[in-house]
This record gives sequence, C-alpha cells and structure tokens, in this order.
Amino acid sequence: SYEVTQPPSVSVSPGQTARITCSGDALPNQFGYWYQQKPGQAPVMLIYKDSERPSGIPERFSGSGSGTTVTLTISGVQAEDEADYYCQSADSSGIVVFGGGTKLTVL
Amino acid sequence: QITLKESGPTLVKPTQTLTLTCTFSGFSLSSSGVGVGWIRQPPGKALEWLALIFWNDDKRYSPSLRSRLTITKDTSKNQVVLRMTNMDPVDTATYYCGHRSPTILDAFDIWGQGTMVTVSS
Repeated sequence: SYEVTQPPSVSVSPGQTARITCSGDALPNQFGYWYQQKPGQAPVMLIYKDSERPSGIPERFSGSGSGTTVTLTISGVQAEDEADYYCQSADSSGIVVFGGGTKLTVL
Repeated sequence: QITLKESGPTLVKPTQTLTLTCTFSGFSLSSSGVGVGWIRQPPGKALEWLALIFWNDDKRYSPSLRSRLTITKDTSKNQVVLRMTNMDPVDTATYYCGHRSPTILDAFDIWGQGTMVTVSS
C-alpha cells in the first residue's frame, strides 16, 4: 500500500528556517498536502497541491515538490510554530494516506 | 462559513459497533466534487485516514479497515455517518470529520473539532 514518510522530529531556533520533508513513491504524480496540529486542537491545512496556501495561512509557510519528495518550509520560525506537522497524499484510486507526523521544536 | 461537528458515544464496549455522525453546514454534499471524510488519531499517535464519501455517493475506504467500515450520507440532513464494527481497545482515538473541496482535491481543508471515543469494557 502507498505510504508517505517524514522525519519524526525537526528542531530550529527562532527566526531560522525549518524544512520538513515528506517522501512517497507516488508524489511525482500525486499532490502533497500539509497540516499543522497543536496540542488538543484539530489539524489545520497549511499547504495544498504541493505549494498552494489556503487563505489565512501566513506567508512564512510555503511548500514545494520535486520528484518523490515534497517539502514544507517555515521561514522566520516563531515560538507559536511549535507543533506537529503532517504530510498527506493520495494514490491514483483516491486512497488517502498520512505521514507519521513531524514534531517541530523551537529551541 | 464551513463548519463540521462530530457526535456519537464517548464509550463503547469491545465487539460493539461504533456509529459516528458528522453534521455540517456551509456547503452541500450534492455539489460536484465535494466530499466528507473521516480521520482518527489515537492518543499521542499520528493521524489515520478512515473513509471518504463523495457528492455522487462514490466511497473510498482505508484498505486496512475496509471490512469494518461503512460510510453513508444524508444530503437532506447535511450529515455523514460512519459505522465501525467489532470495536477493540486499539480503536480508542479522537475521530474527526473533514471537508473535501473540489478545488483542493484529495485532502481536507476544514476539520471538525473531533470526538474522543474510548473502547473499554
């Protein structure tokens, strides 16, 4: 079955740039999506279709895709960005998959 | 404004069937390309997609849980129902429903607040 893989943790100092990668064999042909989840809250969509940002999402969140990898980039990381981040994709038959999540720590 | 809200029992016994309802507003599940999905999250663990129903009644299920899941919609009531049979303590989780937009495609741009379900005798 289709899987997407992301690192379990990423650490970054305030003001620096954080990059979280997500790998999956189908990503060259399928879109990647990103969510942010803070403790006790529902996930919030940050990026759709690899690099599009929903309205209301700060510009410091951006996405890109290349080959079998999509990347979430957070520029000028703030303390409030400390959260879990999930990558998501779907296979050609519409089966949705989530990555295992990446805990972002702001040092 | 799109909103979704999950409802159902907070406690179920092992082997019982769980029935969850997602009540939504701000969109119609009869509009082309629209869908509603279910996602769960065990305490301290990752998100897991369960099922998705489309405006045309097409359905998708997680391959690992397909035999236990049924998703249905009632367009007139703006509700989507998920049934999961043979519940086990490992199914203890927060269950979310989410809106699938025809613009965003195979993902969920708006989520409900989630409902916690505990499986215990």
